[in-house]
Amino acid sequence: NAGVTQTPKFQVLKTGQSMTLQCAQDMNHEYMSWYRQDPGMGLRLIHYSVGAGITDQGEVPNGYNVSRSTTEDFPLRLLSAAPSQTSVYFCASSARTGNRNIQYFGAGTRLSVL
Amino acid sequence: DAKTTQPTSMDCAEGRAANLPCNHSTISGNEYVYWYRQIHSQGPQYIIHGLKNNETNEMASLIITEDRKSSTLILPHATLRDTAVYYCIVKQYGGSQGNLIFGKGTKLSVKP
Repeated sequence: NAGVTQTPKFQVLKTGQSMTLQCAQDMNHEYMSWYRQDPGMGLRLIHYSVGAGITDQGEVPNGYNVSRSTTEDFPLRLLSAAPSQTSVYFCASSARTGNRNIQYFGAGTRLSVL
Repeated sequence: DAKTTQPTSMDCAEGRAANLPCNHSTISGNEYVYWYRQIHSQGPQYIIHGLKNNETNEMASLIITEDRKSSTLILPHATLRDTAVYYCIVKQYGGSQGNLIFGKGTKLSVKP
């Protein structure tokens, strides 16, 4: 089982460039979310989605856009990358039924913005 | 969601039990205790959760005090692969998804 797949694993951007971090899950989970983790800190929620077509902001949404056109995919877009967005990004999913606080995480995307 | 307090770091000898404490003195009646861990550079991994009864699964045991103000995660026979940061999270079952609050957790070092 693939679970939650994130691509790319590593990325280097120049300030002002745009890019999309991909996240896909094959568990038919309705809930998906994006976190960022900075060195020595816990995870902070960027955006989340409770189902296809529905998204909402988390704790640190500025500079990021999301959309959810399918159940499987939840891409995170950086419109104009800034050095402050250098971080490790994790995507997670959980089921709508049962305990939605049990989340499954991807392996992460390590992003450096120069 | 109730706030949690965990020690910054702990050591454990390989093969011994690792007991990781968590204080959640303001927990409310409908909030569960969840434990996750994050092995270096990997995504967090769910371990176990409970409401008020002790719980056990293939990974760990969770002991919650009778007043529910604290809990202990027990790894019965710690291995070097259990070296990780362990997060204790308190949250309502079925609360709005996507906003698990990961604090700084406890860095567990398992030593040979």
